[in-house]
Amino acid sequence: QSALTQPPSASGSPGQSVTISCAGTASDIGDYKYVSWYQQHPGKAPKLLIYDVSRRPSGVPGRFSGSKSGNTAALTVSGLQAEDEADYYCSSFAGNNNFVFGGGTKLTVL
Amino acid sequence: QVQLQESGPGLVKPPETLSLTCTVSGGSISNYYWSWIRQPPGKGLEWIGYIYYSGSTNYNPSLKGRVTISVDTSKNHFSLKLSSVTAADTAVYFCARFDGYNPSFDSWGQGILVTVSS
Repeated sequence: QSALTQPPSASGSPGQSVTISCAGTASDIGDYKYVSWYQQHPGKAPKLLIYDVSRRPSGVPGRFSGSKSGNTAALTVSGLQAEDEADYYCSSFAGNNNFVFGGGTKLTVL
Repeated sequence: QVQLQESGPGLVKPPETLSLTCTVSGGSISNYYWSWIRQPPGKGLEWIGYIYYSGSTNYNPSLKGRVTISVDTSKNHFSLKLSSVTAADTAVYFCARFDGYNPSFDSWGQGILVTVSS
């Protein structure tokens, strides 16, 4: 199984919206609705933001939303805030009870 | 709120075996899946494997043959062993709870840096 493909960086100004893509294959993202997204601040553990493509755990702001089309998933952060500056990782179920992560995207709030 | 804490040696010599333990507090280890994930310095996340509280396991195919995950419900902890380590296994190792109903990693430990060096 290969890692999912994310852009290495993304940026936006406060208040703007930013979308981060996550490209997989027909064997992972394309075949299952089990895509999740994680936020990681420097030196910290990742935090679950989105699961099952578009569902948010309790406590995660509605500014974070997820979607999927074909073999590609996306995370949109609306109304960017300074504290959203972090690394973001996607993950997908990949069949045979295996999981794969993306390489990560560093989001900069300008 | 469940909390997870990794423990173990921060330095391992090649080609020895890396051994880590994750202690779960604030909740029972029963009825959940538990996972190990690692992150090489400056790089992305890699799923290592998971174990159900009953003992059934599944591992990343790229690490199969070197990795063993076990669970001790009486101590409310689970463990990772990675054999024949090389410098490429240097990473921050995270333990995490895996939600089997909504496949995702919903609670994480703070992580522990393990360096492989002679």
